[in-house]
Amino acid sequence: GDSVTQMEGPVTLSEEAFLTINCTYTATGYPSLFWYVQYPGEGLQLLLKATKADDKGSNKGFEATYRKETTSFHLEKGSVQVSDSAVYFCALSDQGFQKLVFGTGTRLLVSP
Amino acid sequence: GAGVSQSPRYKVAKRGQDVALRCDPISGHVSLFWYQQALGQGPEFLTYFQNEAQLDKSGLPSDRFFAERPEGSVSTLKIQRTQQEDSAVYLCASSFSTGRPEAFFGQGTRLTVV
Repeated sequence: GDSVTQMEGPVTLSEEAFLTINCTYTATGYPSLFWYVQYPGEGLQLLLKATKADDKGSNKGFEATYRKETTSFHLEKGSVQVSDSAVYFCALSDQGFQKLVFGTGTRLLVSP
Repeated sequence: GAGVSQSPRYKVAKRGQDVALRCDPISGHVSLFWYQQALGQGPEFLTYFQNEAQLDKSGLPSDRFFAERPEGSVSTLKIQRTQQEDSAVYLCASSFSTGRPEAFFGQGTRLTVV
């Protein structure tokens, strides 16, 4: 079945450092890809999405590009802030958008 | 409402007790999903409704789990004879339709079975 693999955390960075969180997927067909973020004490929030190959999703300085050839959707940010500390989940949904398949999540800790 | 609302936020149940978890989706959202999130893991799909029709319940772990959405709006996830392995955060999400991929999540109900 469909699956998502994310790099294990925690990822610990200093403020203004460059961030990459790796995500690869296995799916039949052409899934849509997502990054969700979970801030402490809050629910899951959609961070960005891409619905077809070579699409780039972006939001709040974060970016991810849908790479069909490498089945990847890596999350990047050029300069992280303390407020970016959270758990990040990569996910895919099938073409019918009937359910999301999530990775295990990557905790990001940013220190001043 | 402004977002997906779930209640209660926290529930402690004695093993063997029945529980009911409520989800109020965003007004007008056709699709509703339930997920189970164990500690330190990503959410796992339980079941999906389109309006009042339950179109996929392949993720429900046993016949002790039952979900309904009788009027196509509020949904209830019921767990009968709770077991310790049912302890998790139960997340509800809604989306406008299956043609719109963005799902919006509630804050979840943390169930602890003692």
